Parts: sequence; structure tokens; C-alpha cells
Amino acid sequence: QAVLTQPSSLSASPGASASLTCTLRSGINVGTYRIYWYQQKPGSPPQYLLRYKSDSDKQQGSGVPSRFSGSKDDSANAGILLISGLQSEDEADYYCMIWHSSAWVFGGGTKLTVL
Amino acid sequence: EVQLLESGGGLVQPGGSLRLSCAASGFTFSSYAMSWVRQAPGKGLEWVSSISGSGGSTYYADSVKGRLTISRDNSKNTLYLQMNSLRAEDTAGYYCAKVGVRGVIEAEFDYWGQGTLVTVSS
Repeated sequence: QAVLTQPSSLSASPGASASLTCTLRSGINVGTYRIYWYQQKPGSPPQYLLRYKSDSDKQQGSGVPSRFSGSKDDSANAGILLISGLQSEDEADYYCMIWHSSAWVFGGGTKLTVL
Repeated sequence: EVQLLESGGGLVQPGGSLRLSCAASGFTFSSYAMSWVRQAPGKGLEWVSSISGSGGSTYYADSVKGRLTISRDNSKNTLYLQMNSLRAEDTAGYYCAKVGVRGVIEAEFDYWGQGTLVTVSS
């Protein structure tokens, strides 16, 4: 079982909100990890969006709109990237990442389609 | 302005070697950890390796341990990835990335290079 699992795709309409999940493997408690989120558009390197561990331990990337926010669902053992007021430019791949056992781990990525 | 410029990619036969470089500018290179992240064509991101600012601590993904070696020359503001015993599954774009907080390993990758492509094929 992968350390981080993300749905492979998600579709949402312009102006709506999208909730992208990053589920941690059973036995790895989401509450103890900072979850980092990246956006990648075709032909470009990833861009850092934000980090979320708790409401007191979070960081927005430089220049990242407040439409992007992080949270956690403890019951689902998952980190969440919430994008509100979806715009066509938000169409991209999104990756979560954690530092686990002295190694960085990426989720498999979610392709967000805005249509 | 922070800039990261990778070079050294290309076509190499299975079992061959290659050395990637990442020239950094616009920040105090020796103060920041650096990482390599790769992406196979059409696939997701995979962390490869990280190194502390001094170079004294290194970390590797299990998939590359013993074959790939990260290093840095702080006098030249350059990060390296020595790639030996290359396999077809090492075929990917390789990005260097800067860690966003001075003096730590665990922090966001706030700047990324444009990447260099490594193709392992006979």
C-alpha cells in the first residue's frame, strides 16, 4: 500500500470548490505530519502552494492566492487541498508530499479538470 | 532572483553513468538544503535525494540507494547527481529543487529548475 494515496482525477466547474484529498497509509497518523502541496501544469516544473499541519502550523506559498487552503480530515487520515472559486487556470496536476522516515514521499497526483 | 539551471542529461545505455549538475544563483547556496526530484514521462513526481547545506547529510530514495550519489560544491554554487548503473526505469526528467527554509531538510521545495531529461536505452 502506498504511503500517500491521491485520487487520479477530479472534475469541477468554474466558480465551484474542489477538495483534493491525500490519504495516508494506515498506521501513519496524519496529525503528526506537515503536508505540502504542489501544482504542476504541463511542460512546467511543480510550484509550491502551501503547507498544512494544523491551524497553528500552516504556511501559504509566496504569491499563492488565498483561494488555495489546506486542512485535514482526521477521521479519514487525510490531508486536504481546498480550492475555492475555481478558475480555468487551476486546471493542473496536484501533488501532496510528506517527510516520512527520513525521506520525502509524494502522492501519485490528482489531475484536476475545470469544465 | 533565484535561478536553478540543470544540465548533463542525455541518452545513456543501461549500466552506464551520467552526472547531472544544477547551477544555483540568487541566494546563499551553502545555507540551504537541496534536492533532486524526477518525473518519468507521463508519470508523477518521485523524490530521489536530498543534501544538507554543508553537504554533511544526505538522504536517498530506496530505489536509487547505492547507484545515485548526491553532492554539492558550495564554492561553485552547484549541486550534482552522479548516476551509475543506470536502468531503463531511471528514464525521467530530473529537477533540482531548493528547500525553502535555511538550515533544515524538512521544508517546502520553494524553487525548482526546469529539469534535464535522462533517457536510459540501448
